[in-house]
Amino acid sequence: KNQVEQSPQSLIILEGKNCTLQCNYTVSPFSNLRWYKQDTGRGPVSLTIMTFSENTKSNGRYTATLDADTKQSSLHITASQLSDSASYICVVISGGYNKLIFGAGTRLAVHP
Amino acid sequence: DSGVTQTPKHLITATGQRVTLRCSPRSGDLSVYWYQQSLDQGLQFLIQYYNGEERAKGNILERFSAQQFPDLHSELNLSSLELGDSALYFCASSLRVDGISEAFFGQGTRLTVV
Repeated sequence: KNQVEQSPQSLIILEGKNCTLQCNYTVSPFSNLRWYKQDTGRGPVSLTIMTFSENTKSNGRYTATLDADTKQSSLHITASQLSDSASYICVVISGGYNKLIFGAGTRLAVHP
Repeated sequence: DSGVTQTPKHLITATGQRVTLRCSPRSGDLSVYWYQQSLDQGLQFLIQYYNGEERAKGNILERFSAQQFPDLHSELNLSSLELGDSALYFCASSLRVDGISEAFFGQGTRLTVV
C-alpha cells in the first residue's frame, strides 16, 4: 500500500532555531518527492521537488534531503522565522500519472 | 498567486442541499485535481482529470461528481450534503501527468454545512 508518513506530528521551536522534519514513504513506482508548505486555511505551496537521483536540494532557508535507498526524506529549516509557522507536507509522486500521495503533515509553530 | 482560481472562497449551505465548486487551472495546464481537507486533517485525493477525461479517482463519494470542460475549467458537484462534508476543498493543476510536472494549488473553497 502506498503510504507517506511524517514525523513529528507537531513541533514547537523558538524563533531563530533550526529544525528537521522527517518523511518516510512506501510508494512504488517512485517518480519524485515534494515538500509543500501550507499556511492555515490556504492552499499548499511547493518548496522543493526532488527526483530519484537528487540527494539534496535547497530553497533559501529550506534544505530537503532524499535517500531513495531507505525511502526517507527530511526537510531542514534554518534560522526559523515566525512566518515559518505552518504545516509542512511531504508528497510523493507515483509513476507517470502524477499521482500525488500526501503525508498528514507536520504542524510547525515558531514562537518568539 | 499560484494562478489557480477557485470560486467561491466560502460557502455555507444546509444539509441535503447541492453545491458546485469551480476551478480554473493555470493557463496551459491540462490536468486538474480535487482534494478534500477536513479540519486538522491531511489532504484527501478525490479525483483527477486530464484534458477533459477522468484520469484517476480517489476516495470520492457517490454523492460527489466532477467534470472538466473543453476550456479546461473544472467543477466539483456535491449533493445531498451532510454535516461531515464540511471541509476545505482544494483544486490543483499541472501541465501534464508525466510524474514530473509540478502541481499548483488554489486557495480553496471552505464549505460549511449547517
